[in-house]
Amino acid sequence: DAGITQSPRHKVTETGTPVTLRCHQTENHRYMYWYRQDPGHGLRLIHYSYGVKDTDKGEVSDGYSVSRSKTEDFLLTLESATSSQTSVYFCAISGTGSNYGYTFGSGTRLTVV
Amino acid sequence: GEDVEQSLFLSVREGDSSVINCTYTDSSSTYLYWYKQEPGAGLQLLTYIFSNMDMKQDQRLTVLLNKKDKHLSLRIADTQTGDSAIYFCAESTSGGSYIPTFGRGTSLIVHP
Repeated sequence: DAGITQSPRHKVTETGTPVTLRCHQTENHRYMYWYRQDPGHGLRLIHYSYGVKDTDKGEVSDGYSVSRSKTEDFLLTLESATSSQTSVYFCAISGTGSNYGYTFGSGTRLTVV
Repeated sequence: GEDVEQSLFLSVREGDSSVINCTYTDSSSTYLYWYKQEPGAGLQLLTYIFSNMDMKQDQRLTVLLNKKDKHLSLRIADTQTGDSAIYFCAESTSGGSYIPTFGRGTSLIVHP
């Protein structure tokens, strides 16, 4: 979507290696979110940020950390990737709260072998 | 906790109407959304409705909300093959960080 980009789009990594996914926005939105999407589970929130250096955990945060050092970038790090973290990861942004809905990125397909 | 339920699949013939249903449990839900996800893409916001409304229409899309029964539906008139996608229902409340709860998605398959 215009205004939000995720990188990389695809990644294959080995078990035990660290991985960082990047979300970049040009909308100057306050809120940013990381979700994972898995068959049968829909979308599950990993972490979110409500401002620079302000982050909080979602429902599936174990094994993940995040950082937001500037408004436009929100990084998701898998400290030591496991096969259970094979998934499609989506970043989303919203303005003041999400009452008017999110804008989603195109996703990162991560495979841990 | 909050829960949003949708049926997993819906199959319709091109030109027919599609109705995708969703139920939610949080009685304090303030905003309800429908998102569309095409293959290989992120979710795209289709429409949203405030809880003080019972209907919203936007071209071929009609959203109906029954707040008493906590039931939301999305009707797509004159369904086309390009409407084939996964449709997600979501709800959020006005308190806190507005983080929505998503359903698992309904896969709509449109047959020619």
